[in-house]
Formats: sequence, C-alpha cells, structure tokens
Amino acid sequence: ETGVTQTPRHLVMGMTNKKSLKCEQHLGHNAMYWYKQSAKKPLELMFVYNFKEQTENNSVPSRFSPECPNSSHLFLHLHTLQPEDSALYLCASSQAGQANQPQHFGDGTRLSIL
Amino acid sequence: AQSVTQLDSHVSVSEGTPVLLRCNYSSSYSPSLFWYVQHPNKGLQLLLKYTSAATLVKGINGFEAEFKKSETSFHLTKPSAHMSDAAEYFCVVSGFTGFQKLVFGTGTRLLVSP
Repeated sequence: ETGVTQTPRHLVMGMTNKKSLKCEQHLGHNAMYWYKQSAKKPLELMFVYNFKEQTENNSVPSRFSPECPNSSHLFLHLHTLQPEDSALYLCASSQAGQANQPQHFGDGTRLSIL
Repeated sequence: AQSVTQLDSHVSVSEGTPVLLRCNYSSSYSPSLFWYVQHPNKGLQLLLKYTSAATLVKGINGFEAEFKKSETSFHLTKPSAHMSDAAEYFCVVSGFTGFQKLVFGTGTRLLVSP
C-alpha cells in the first residue's frame, strides 16, 4: 500500500471515447503529478499541480485534460485519443516545494487505445 | 541541466550473489538522488534516497547506495540477490524549478536466476 490509489487499473477505449483516470492520495501531500510510461522510453512528466494549481504542462496534447479539485484528488480526462497514447499512466504525490522529498507513486492505469 | 545515465539496460545474477546496478548523474548543484524499483504491473516504489547527509545510504530490502561526488556516481548494491528482487530499477535525480522535477534514468532490468 503506497498511499496513492489509481483507478481503474486497466482501461480499453476506442479513439472516439471519453474516459477519466482517477488518483487519490492519503499521505497529506500538496503536490500531485501525472506521468506517462511507454515501453522503452523514460518516464515522461505530463502535469504538475501544487496546492491545486497547475504549475506545469509539459507540452501535452489537449486531448489530455487534467483536473485537481483538491490536494488529495487528481483526474486525467481523456478524449479522442490516438493509438500512440497507449501506455501506463502513473500518478504521484509529494510535499510541494522540496526537491529532497521523494514522490510516492500509485500502481498506474494501463491504457489501451483500439 | 540535470541528467542520469544508467550504464546497463539488463543485469543478470544468480540467487545469493551480489547485485550492482550502476548510475552516473550530472547536476550543476548538490543533487538529491533516489533509486526506485518497479515490479511488473506495479508503480514505482522508493528504495532509498540521498539528500546530502551520509554518503552511504541504506534502503529497504537490503539495498544500499553510495554517493561519490568525485565520480558523479550513485551505484545501487545488495550483498545477496533474492528471486523477489527481479524487477526494473530506476535511478532518479531531483531538481526544483518552481516545482519538483524528477529526471529518470532509462532503467535497468535485474534478472535473478535460481
């Protein structure tokens, strides 16, 4: 149990579908992150939220839309995805403003685009 | 800019023999460094962290790492491998530019044979 819970664990969707990924952390952290992990590529940071405010959008296509209603919850809304978006999407949390504190990761959502 | 290089994409050992996973980093200031492990279909789990206290860092499951500034290295070791250690290992350097940014290595897959 990492303290970061992601749902669903697996998701298969067509390119025209709309779905959402959910992340919840129980660690009292105030920064949350979305990462994309594709085969044979380093982890890619997608979005960063500090105290519910988005502080980083790492040139992510607009078909990915994040939402952070409070410091414990993070969503990633998906629409009109492409086959190359198939990947493991990881959520993480940490204490904001500190480079020496580790990020804690959820187990991810395995996304497959048909 | 910060970067990490994991020198081996795969390492194979026999159960009961020592493990060495190599990592070199580049950072313009005193870095915070982490090792994470990822088992199949799971998220990233923190093994240990270096944050400028002791240069020899002990982590979970018998792993440890030594920070060597002169060699810009942060190699991960374990005296005796266990079958359950088979996984992917990531060396990570942490920076802060308004938010915490983790720079991941490309990973080393550890294979443990009986």
